[in-house]
Amino acid sequence: DVKVTQSSRYLVKRTGEKVFLECVQDMDHENMFWYRQDPGLGLRLIYFSYDVKMKEKGDIPEGYSVSREKKERFSLILESASTNQTSMYLCASNNRGLEEKLFFGSGTQLSVL
Amino acid sequence: AQSVSQHNHHVILSEAASLELGCNYSYGGTVNLFWYVQYPGQHLQLLLKYFSGDPLVKGIKGFEAEFIKSKFSFNLRKPSVQWSDTAEYFCAVSPLVRYGGATNKLIFGTGTLLAVQP
Repeated sequence: DVKVTQSSRYLVKRTGEKVFLECVQDMDHENMFWYRQDPGLGLRLIYFSYDVKMKEKGDIPEGYSVSREKKERFSLILESASTNQTSMYLCASNNRGLEEKLFFGSGTQLSVL
Repeated sequence: AQSVSQHNHHVILSEAASLELGCNYSYGGTVNLFWYVQYPGQHLQLLLKYFSGDPLVKGIKGFEAEFIKSKFSFNLRKPSVQWSDTAEYFCAVSPLVRYGGATNKLIFGTGTLLAVQP
């Protein structure tokens, strides 16, 4: 069974902290994505990566960075967490071309106090 | 900018009622279209997708959607809902434009929360 694993289900951090959200997929997918999900706003794309060490900004990249050193792992980094980054973060992956469906992780609920 | 609109934010139905959730997108070119569903406490999963061919597509659990190109719409339907259909439903569009020469972005709507009363 295919799997996208996010390292933490719940995370509580303080304003100004550096936060790492980790995502690992076991399907050898080329593409990986980070979304945030907020009530009434749906899913918004933060960053995506179509290959190792490659990244593209999504619609709301400000305040975030990403790292993809290995094909199976895609990390989202909040350099200095702020309260408006409190959200559900979803990682997803798929094969090149997007004809393939997205596989989602279970999400990380991040609270920044 | 490309966008996806889901006009129904909350829908409450009784079991056996018919369902139609609206989805409209703004993009003049070719698109791939998706409906994703998120059941309570579960991760997002694909319900159905349209790439080409017959504009009426059938998905899992008795759901179907119709692509009407002239209306830029991809509405989701089910003739008779069940309590287990209670979930949040997301429409998504992938404009066939290449970013970075490698892949396409998937743009999601804001979601529709469906509550089915037994």
